[in-house]
Amino acid sequence: EAGVVQSPRYKIIEKKQPVAFWCNPISGHNTLYWYLQNLGQGPELLIRYENEEAVDDSQLPKDRFSAERLKGVDSTLKIQPAELGDSAVYLCASSPTRATGDEQFFGPGTRLTVL
Amino acid sequence: GQNIDQPTEMTATEGAIVQINCTYQTSGFNGLFWYQQHAGEAPTFLSYNVLDGLEEKGRFSSFLSRSKGYSYLLLKELQMKDSASYLCAVIQTGANNLFFGTGTRLTVIP
Repeated sequence: EAGVVQSPRYKIIEKKQPVAFWCNPISGHNTLYWYLQNLGQGPELLIRYENEEAVDDSQLPKDRFSAERLKGVDSTLKIQPAELGDSAVYLCASSPTRATGDEQFFGPGTRLTVL
Repeated sequence: GQNIDQPTEMTATEGAIVQINCTYQTSGFNGLFWYQQHAGEAPTFLSYNVLDGLEEKGRFSSFLSRSKGYSYLLLKELQMKDSASYLCAVIQTGANNLFFGTGTRLTVIP
């Protein structure tokens, strides 16, 4: 079974440029998460989707970040414009349902460097 | 809100046993996960505890005390490949959102 797929794996951009990350969850997983992980820190949730609906986006900086999950399958996270402080690893995860205790499966992440 | 504390770094010898502690304060606790993350890779699931007690899975065991807000991950017969960060994460009631600690970076030495 294929795992969570993310692309690109690495991205280097200059500040004020836009950037987008793509995630394809495990087939059949209804719940999709985007996390941000700074160096030496644990992942922090940005947004959670149940199918195509964003059910928790309270931690998403909406002035510059946006996300979509059309058709309830793959998802895109966008930053426009990027700032120096956005340099981090952006992780996507999925789980079969939103039931407590459902294991979240993580993708390899996209490492963003903003110059 | 939630507050999760883990030691930042630990070092242990190959073949030994190491215990990684995690303390938490959260409203509406509904379970605790341990994940392993090798440098530059995705976190991978190790264990899930929702009831008090010890869960054993091969060389890895995880313990939970809800009344004390405390968990530990026990790694036995350490191998060099166990060098990684170990992330403690709690779930609040009403959601499946994981709140992670900063992680404990374990280095296994020969």
